[in-house]
Amino acid sequence: DAKTTQPTSMDCAEGRAANLPCNHSTISGNEYVYWYRQIHSQGPQYIIHGLKNNETNEMASLIITEDRKSSTLILPHATLRDTAVYYCITFNSGGSNYKLTFGKGTLLTVNP
Amino acid sequence: DTAVSQTPKYLVTQMGNDKSIKCEQNLGHDTMYWYKQDSKKFLKIMFSYNNKELIINETVPNRFSPKSPDKAHLNLHINSLELGDSAVYFCASSHLGVRPYGYTFGSGTRLTVV
Repeated sequence: DAKTTQPTSMDCAEGRAANLPCNHSTISGNEYVYWYRQIHSQGPQYIIHGLKNNETNEMASLIITEDRKSSTLILPHATLRDTAVYYCITFNSGGSNYKLTFGKGTLLTVNP
Repeated sequence: DTAVSQTPKYLVTQMGNDKSIKCEQNLGHDTMYWYKQDSKKFLKIMFSYNNKELIINETVPNRFSPKSPDKAHLNLHINSLELGDSAVYFCASSHLGVRPYGYTFGSGTRLTVV
């Protein structure tokens, strides 16, 4: 399984963009990069995923480097409700790495 | 409608008791999972069933026994509860082999063993 490395914690001012980095240098060609978040006391919530192209949805944008060894999750206008632990996970639901395995994640604190 | 629902939300029980946690999903997924999140906040997969068959069984004490009566339900029975079993247990579901959304999680069951 590809391993991911994320900073333990980050701070962001409300209304500013939050950029959460993730390193996944051993990712295999058929593994996607998924981002989930866990708001305090709730179940993990899907945010976005991508293979090699940048992706955007109503929640966030995902920027994946050309060599796919790292990615950045961007919350364009962070709010207080975005305070959560953000998990970057490499995953291939149809392959050998079909278990969604969580690391320690990044605790993002959005400050007023 | 709640996509993945777990009951109960909170469970407080004494050591040595036997308890069950129930999970139901209405997403039409074919695979369901149990995760445990301990006091250090690590989320670890415990079990997974695909179409009622066990496909993932991590190193979990055999006091834990999952049961899947159909692909929409996955229950977790725990015998002889110990203090160390105190944690939040999350149920999740997915379509095995199908993207894009990965797993959908329930809101968790907080188990406290006293």
